Amino acid sequence: GENVEQHPSTLSVQEGDSAVIKCTYSDSASNYFPWYKQELGKRPQLIIDIRSNVGEKKDQRIAVTLNKTAKHFSLHITETQPEDSAVYFCAASDAGGFKTIFGAGTRLFVKA
Amino acid sequence: DVKVTQSSRYLVKRTGEKVFLECVQDMDHENMFWYRQDPGLGLRLIYFSYDVKMKEKGDIPEGYSVSREKKERFSLILESASTNQTSMYLCASTTSVHEQFFGPGTRLTVL
Repeated sequence: GENVEQHPSTLSVQEGDSAVIKCTYSDSASNYFPWYKQELGKRPQLIIDIRSNVGEKKDQRIAVTLNKTAKHFSLHITETQPEDSAVYFCAASDAGGFKTIFGAGTRLFVKA
Repeated sequence: DVKVTQSSRYLVKRTGEKVFLECVQDMDHENMFWYRQDPGLGLRLIYFSYDVKMKEKGDIPEGYSVSREKKERFSLILESASTNQTSMYLCASTTSVHEQFFGPGTRLTVL
């Protein structure tokens, strides 16, 4: 079946460094790619998303890139801060928005 | 302020019991979803609904059923709970191809 692979599963960085999380998807019909952040004990919340007609999107310290040919998209966090510590999920959604497949998640630790 | 609520934050049930998890959203969203979240497996879709009384199976529907009698309410039913259904259950809602808004989750333990 369709799937989304996410790497790494755990990432530890020093405060101020950059963090990169990578995802690949299998369904070529996917055209919406959101990223969710889940802090400990809280619900997942959208932090950034990108649609298939765009190659890159940036929002302050976070950015997402999409390579549709390679079926690959990435989350980049610059100047990391301790409050960035959380689990991050990538996802890929079909045109109808009904079948959203999530990656397994990346646990990011930012050391002060 | 968008709001998705779930009936319980924590629930402990015994094997074989019938379990109801309820989700309510106040955003007039057409689409509602039930996921289970397990460590290392991400969020896996159990069922979704795109309209009242409509439902579609997700990736792991076995052992579950759902009900959507009103637009704002989506219920997940475990007909006969088993220990392998111990998990965190998350409800979400959205309109069209857009951000999903999640509820706070229900941590279910089946003994």
